[in-house]
Amino acid sequence: SQQGEEDPQALSIQEGENATMNCSYKTSINNLQWYRQNSGRGLVHLILIRSNEREKHSGRLRVTLDTSKKSSSLLITASRAADTASYFCATDSNQGGKLIFGQGTELSVKP
Amino acid sequence: GAVVSQHPSRVICKSGTSVKIECRSLDFQATTMFWYRQFPKKSLMLMATSNEGSKATYEQGVEKDKFLINHASLTLSTLTVTSAHPEDSSFYICSARDPGLSNNEQFFGPGTRLTVL
Repeated sequence: SQQGEEDPQALSIQEGENATMNCSYKTSINNLQWYRQNSGRGLVHLILIRSNEREKHSGRLRVTLDTSKKSSSLLITASRAADTASYFCATDSNQGGKLIFGQGTELSVKP
Repeated sequence: GAVVSQHPSRVICKSGTSVKIECRSLDFQATTMFWYRQFPKKSLMLMATSNEGSKATYEQGVEKDKFLINHASLTLSTLTVTSAHPEDSSFYICSARDPGLSNNEQFFGPGTRLTVL
């Protein structure tokens, strides 16, 4: 079952702006991961944040995790047209590696 | 990162036929693979966990006799959609864990687009 909810469902911004996507979940987790999917393609792993971490950076990506609120956010700074894709959060609740995906945010970055 | 392939990438079949999709880990051995289904503009829904050398574990609501999973080797898992119907049309994606990595990163295949006429 899907436990993650993401908002917004769709986000349209101009190149150079920052994009923020949020993810909420319901159960306790071992870690939370963010993935990117270009239309009709497989998923690409972006970043993993463990339950004992609060913030993590990777290049233009910044992820936060608030376990008390059961929520996470993904910030993409200085967005580019090539960042246009769907972004999913996925939670690992230490059940044999199963990932439960959020509903995703469709990001459109206009040049 | 590790590479996971899927074959075929796209398949069109007639209603009532069976379709087999292969998922291979190319540069690592995967004791566990996962099969997901994705509808257009929707999220990934986990169907089952494929364990090498043992029976797959299916998620609630997924018919195991409809979606046969075989994980015969450490680099190959197959999903067979039996007696396919138009409502089985979907994007099927597999993923594999590399047990050599300390985190739980999964590597995803490029997906298989199934269209049942």
